[in-house]
Amino acid sequence: DTAVSQTPKYLVTQMGNDKSIKCEQNLGHDTMYWYKQDSKKFLKIMFSYNNKELIINETVPNRFSPKSPDKAHLNLHINSLELGDSAVYFCASSLGRFSGNTIYFGEGSWLTVV
Amino acid sequence: GDSVTQMEGPVTLSEEAFLTINCTYTATGYPSLFWYVQYPGEGLQLLLKATKADDKGSNKGFEATYRKETTSFHLEKGSVQVSDSAVYFCALSGNQFYFGTGTSLTVIP
Repeated sequence: DTAVSQTPKYLVTQMGNDKSIKCEQNLGHDTMYWYKQDSKKFLKIMFSYNNKELIINETVPNRFSPKSPDKAHLNLHINSLELGDSAVYFCASSLGRFSGNTIYFGEGSWLTVV
Repeated sequence: GDSVTQMEGPVTLSEEAFLTINCTYTATGYPSLFWYVQYPGEGLQLLLKATKADDKGSNKGFEATYRKETTSFHLEKGSVQVSDSAVYFCALSGNQFYFGTGTSLTVIP
């Protein structure tokens, strides 16, 4: 069973479109995250939710909006896609938000904006 | 604030060579330290972790020791294999999770 699963794995879309990436975890974790990884492999946290409550909201464009319908799901919606949004987006989860908790990652969603 | 600094890559080694990837950290309090590995086309996987000073994390022949006096958590492996080719991330868990910039390792036969 996949612990953190995200769909789609690959997404190619045109500039200006709106797209969503879905994420689900079956680990019973309270905290979920979205990370963006650029072409140089640099990881940047975008959002974090703890029990459906937004706790980290880093400086990302308003076009990115997370949504957590329950603590096992955290979806990412992106409006008006731009070329610079092309990246790999990772969903992740951890037992809680405090020190010592391991973060478990999904396999990534490769977004290409053309 | 908290941060992690790891050696820049890329690193290229011959099979069976000794590997060290340096990682140092800055933190208030007592963070936990991690190494994650990312194989091509995949997500990050936990490789090993250490939760307090002098702890040694180990897995798949890799090991790292949490050194409070030098604020370091260097990753080592005695004999690398081609299958170890990947990107390695040092990370710190304090009030937030902080990742290093990643070090790409290529092992050639």
